[in-house]
Amino acid sequence: QKEVEQNSGPLSVPEGAIASLNCTYSDRGSQSFFWYRQYSGKSPELIMFIYSNGDKEDGRFTAQLNKASQYVSLLIRDSQPSDSATYLCAVISGGFKTIFGAGTRLFVKA
Amino acid sequence: SQTIHQWPATLVQPVGSPLSLECTVEGTSNPNLYWYRQAAGRGLQLLFYSVGIGQISSEVPQNLSASRPQDRQFILSSKKLLLSDSGFYLCAWGGQSSYNEQFFGPGTRLTVL
Repeated sequence: QKEVEQNSGPLSVPEGAIASLNCTYSDRGSQSFFWYRQYSGKSPELIMFIYSNGDKEDGRFTAQLNKASQYVSLLIRDSQPSDSATYLCAVISGGFKTIFGAGTRLFVKA
Repeated sequence: SQTIHQWPATLVQPVGSPLSLECTVEGTSNPNLYWYRQAAGRGLQLLFYSVGIGQISSEVPQNLSASRPQDRQFILSSKKLLLSDSGFYLCAWGGQSSYNEQFFGPGTRLTVL
C-alpha cells in the first residue's frame, strides 16, 4: 500500500514566522511531488510542485525534496493569517494516480 | 486558460435515492479526469479516474459508478445512496504526462440523510 504521511497538526505559528510542513512517502519510485492548500469548505489549490532533489522557491514558498530519505517539505516564510489553511502533500507514484496525505492544519496567529 | 466546473454545489438526498454529479472541463483536450471524495476532516480518497472517453478505472469498490461520455465530461452516479456516501466530492483534471499536476473543481457537498 503506497502511503503519504503528514502530521495532522494543528501547527500554530505567529505572524511573520516561518512555517515548516513535512511529508513522507513510502514508494521510492515516486516521481512528482505537490503541495496543495485547502481553505475550509473549499477545494484544494496547487501552490508548489517539485520533481528533483533540492529546493525550489516561489515567492514566500520553498519546497524541499530528499528522495533518499523519501521526504518532502514546504516552508512558508513571513507567514500571514491568510496562510491559515490545511496543506496537502501529494505524490504521483506510478501512472496517473496521485496519492494525497491527510493534510496538516496551519494556524497563523496575528 | 483551463477551467473546471462542477454542479450542483450542494446536495441533500435521502438514503436510497439516486445520484448524478457532473463535471466539465474547458480549455484543454484529452485530459485525465478524476473523482475524489473527502469526508469531514479527512484526506482525499480517489474514487475513479479516466484517461480517455469510455475508459474508467475504479479505485474503491462501492455503490458508485463513473462515466465519461465526452472528452471533457465526467459523471459520478449512484443508483442508491448510503449514509456513508456523504462527503465533499471533487472532480479534477490533469495532463497526460505522469509529471502533471491536477487542478480541482469547486466541489459538491453531498449530505445523505
